[in-house]
Amino acid sequence: EDKVVQSPLSLVVHEGDTVTLNCSYEVTNFRSLLWYKQEKKAPTFLFMLTSSGIEKKSGRLSSILDKKELFSILNITATQTGDSAVYLCAVEAGTGNQFYFGTGTSLTVIP
Amino acid sequence: DVKVTQSSRYLVKRTGEKVFLECVQDMDHENMFWYRQDPGLGLRLIYFSYDVKMKEKGDIPEGYSVSREKKERFSLILESASTNQTSMYLCASSPHHLGKLFFGSGTQLSVL
Repeated sequence: EDKVVQSPLSLVVHEGDTVTLNCSYEVTNFRSLLWYKQEKKAPTFLFMLTSSGIEKKSGRLSSILDKKELFSILNITATQTGDSAVYLCAVEAGTGNQFYFGTGTSLTVIP
Repeated sequence: DVKVTQSSRYLVKRTGEKVFLECVQDMDHENMFWYRQDPGLGLRLIYFSYDVKMKEKGDIPEGYSVSREKKERFSLILESASTNQTSMYLCASSPHHLGKLFFGSGTQLSVL
């Protein structure tokens, strides 16, 4: 059965800390891995990763994929209260347009 | 700006009622999806559609049906709502050529 596992389930940090969120997967016919940020509304797209070892970066957020070890990490440096959200990892696999989601990591950043 | 619009942000219904959740996208995407999101369970796929008048069951289709009469609109129907269908419902769309989902704002449905 295809599976996506995120860890930790929840995390509480202080402003300025650096956090690393993990996503491991076991799927058939991997196509891409996506990270989303969800506050109290629609998940918003952060990154899509298809190639192993190539870091994607956007401001204080960065992500990398390891296709050999079947995982990805999302790093957030110098965290701010606005980073508080649930971070979702999704994997596109199969014949296409089939997305498998992890349960998410809930991040709380305390001032 | 791309947009996926869900008709209601919050909805309260009674057990046994027929419930319609509407989703419209303005991006001419071929694929549309309905998920439900529950604490500790993540997003689970209910139904999806690759084209007009076409539908496929996801992981948890029981108690739901869908309709896609036009490319931009994908409706989720709860034929007879039950309390275990209380959940956040998220609609999403994606183009065939790009494996990226665009989400609506969600509908928080409470069935009493």
